[in-house]
Amino acid sequence: GAVVSQHPSWVICKSGTSVKIECRSLDFQATTMFWYRQFPKQSLMLMATSNEGSKATYEQGVEKDKFLINHASLTLSTLTVTSAHPEDSSFYICSALPPGTTYEQYFGPGTRLTVT
Amino acid sequence: AQTVTQSQPEMSVQEAETVTLSCTYDTSENNYYLFWYKQPPSRQMILVIRQEAYKQQNATENRFSVNFQKAAKSFSLKISDSQLGDTAMYFCAFMKHGGGGSNYKLTFGKGTLLTVNP
Repeated sequence: GAVVSQHPSWVICKSGTSVKIECRSLDFQATTMFWYRQFPKQSLMLMATSNEGSKATYEQGVEKDKFLINHASLTLSTLTVTSAHPEDSSFYICSALPPGTTYEQYFGPGTRLTVT
Repeated sequence: AQTVTQSQPEMSVQEAETVTLSCTYDTSENNYYLFWYKQPPSRQMILVIRQEAYKQQNATENRFSVNFQKAAKSFSLKISDSQLGDTAMYFCAFMKHGGGGSNYKLTFGKGTLLTVNP
């Protein structure tokens, strides 16, 4: 099956700094990728839809200036958490939609962010 | 907007037995997809089974099957011959059909933590 990777798998950063998370589709091109956030023992909440070559579409309540998404190529989307605070600590998951399918998203393994 | 409700936060089952996880949803769409995803302790999301709303026949994948009741907006997952490796969080999810891009986003339920006991 299609493989999606995320890097890093775990990152610790200090409050006030920025951190970038990468999401790559390894064996397919993805015009659309999604970013989710998951708090402990909770469900996945969609943050934004990342479209290659265009601006991301953010869900209501998600701060665009805080969570910067860039989808510069058909295999890479990045999420940058700017001026991170402890409340941004969470598990971030990306998914990618292969071409030719309209339903099956492939998920990355997730990135644990801890802000101290 | 779509909503997905999973009313069972936790369930347990004995190994080799059968368990059913419940899911209801609310939508005004006529064409859509429904999914069950599994998230084991590794936290990797794994697709268990999917159902296209226009198909009346219930989907099956080996030990996993669904009971899809479109009129009742119900989509339950039955796991037969439960195995220890089935221990995981199970999420029911909804996706609209068609339209491209952000229309393919998933709306998840809150999840059901299933524990299979030896």
